Amino acid sequence: GAGVSQSPSNKVTEKGKDVELRCDPISGHTALYWYRQSLGQGLEFLIYFQGNSAPDKSGLPSDRFSAERTGGSVSTLTIQRTQQEDSAVYLCASSLAGGTDQPQHFGDGTRLSIL
Amino acid sequence: LAKTTQPISMDSYEGQEVNITCSHNNIATNDYITWYQQFPSQGPRFIIQGYKTKVTNEVASLFIPADRKSSTLSLPRVSLSDTAVYYCLALKAAGNKLTFGGGTRVLVKP
Repeated sequence: GAGVSQSPSNKVTEKGKDVELRCDPISGHTALYWYRQSLGQGLEFLIYFQGNSAPDKSGLPSDRFSAERTGGSVSTLTIQRTQQEDSAVYLCASSLAGGTDQPQHFGDGTRLSIL
Repeated sequence: LAKTTQPISMDSYEGQEVNITCSHNNIATNDYITWYQQFPSQGPRFIIQGYKTKVTNEVASLFIPADRKSSTLSLPRVSLSDTAVYYCLALKAAGNKLTFGGGTRVLVKP
């Protein structure tokens, strides 16, 4: 069956450019999460969407980061004026609902490299 | 999110059982214990979740003692393809912001 799909799988860009990362969650999943994972490190929460509720943006590291989720499905994470410290793997996950008993299913991420 | 502590790495051999113990001394009443597996260049994959006693699925077993201050993930008869990083989390019932620590790097040798 279709899992969480992320695109592009790899992105290399120059410092100062804007980038958009896309996430297609599993159909029917109302909860969607973005995380960041730096090389050899654990996971860092960025933002959480649940249905039509206002997103939890508490993990976004700066105002250069933003995300939207259109129609309760596809989500886009945008990083403006990229910096070298933004280099990481950006992971998207979705779950049936926002409850703890609903495991999160991850995509394979977008590996972002800022030159 | 309760703090969890788990070994940094473990080595094993094909066909053996691997047990990874995670401590979560400050676990709250409504926290669930959840384990994820991650291969290089892939996103984490949910393995198993439990609240108390024992949970078993087709992949692993999870043992949780009565005080819930620790848990043990058991992988039966591991193969080379089980080489991965395994993350233990204790999650509150409300709020699902996963924060993985360093995890346990399991290396299965031939």
